Amino acid sequence: DAKTTQPPSMDCAEGRAANLPCNHSTISGNEYVYWYRQIHSQGPQYIIHGLKNNETNEMASLIITEDRKSSTLILPHATLRDTAVYYCIVYTGRRALTFGSGTRLQVQP
Amino acid sequence: EPEVTQTPSHQVTQMGQEVILRCVPISNHLYFYWYRQILGQKVEFLVSFYNNEISEKSEIFDDQFSVERPDGSNFTLKIRSTKLEDSAMYFCASSAFTLDGGGAYHAQYFGPGTRLTVL
Repeated sequence: DAKTTQPPSMDCAEGRAANLPCNHSTISGNEYVYWYRQIHSQGPQYIIHGLKNNETNEMASLIITEDRKSSTLILPHATLRDTAVYYCIVYTGRRALTFGSGTRLQVQP
Repeated sequence: EPEVTQTPSHQVTQMGQEVILRCVPISNHLYFYWYRQILGQKVEFLVSFYNNEISEKSEIFDDQFSVERPDGSNFTLKIRSTKLEDSAMYFCASSAFTLDGGGAYHAQYFGPGTRLTVL
């Protein structure tokens, strides 16, 4: 599975959009981009995934560049409850998820 | 919304004892996983299970570990003789093979975890 690179930490003001970047320059054609988050010591929570098109659900939007080498997770109106570690993972599915260090997002009041 | 559940939420045991961690995956899911997270470290994969057999396992998943699906709903992780270094949060996850317009994907859904403390 392709390796990903994320900034270690980011801050965001409550109510503003949080844009979390991820580089995955070695992604292969059949690999999806998945985003998970972990709030404190809770189980990782699935947020969204995409293959090549931009995706939106009730939690977030995922923007994938045309060459698929990077993506951005957008939380449109961040709240304090969005403070968490966010993981960008690329993989083909069914196999193990490999969690890196992720981006620690701190939403400030 | 369906959820993965895990019991117990916290298990304290003595070194050398056997523990069984229990999980109830989402009912229509066919792929099951165990992960663990030692305090302050990354989430690590242990094992995946499909069609009543292990499909993948990590180096962590040695002979001290075993998994079982004893009935149609439960998925268990057994540690035969616990060590101090087994102290961690253990997460169960499940997924379904889903087709969409771009291909097939698996979103893994995680339970809340069991905190295992080995004394």
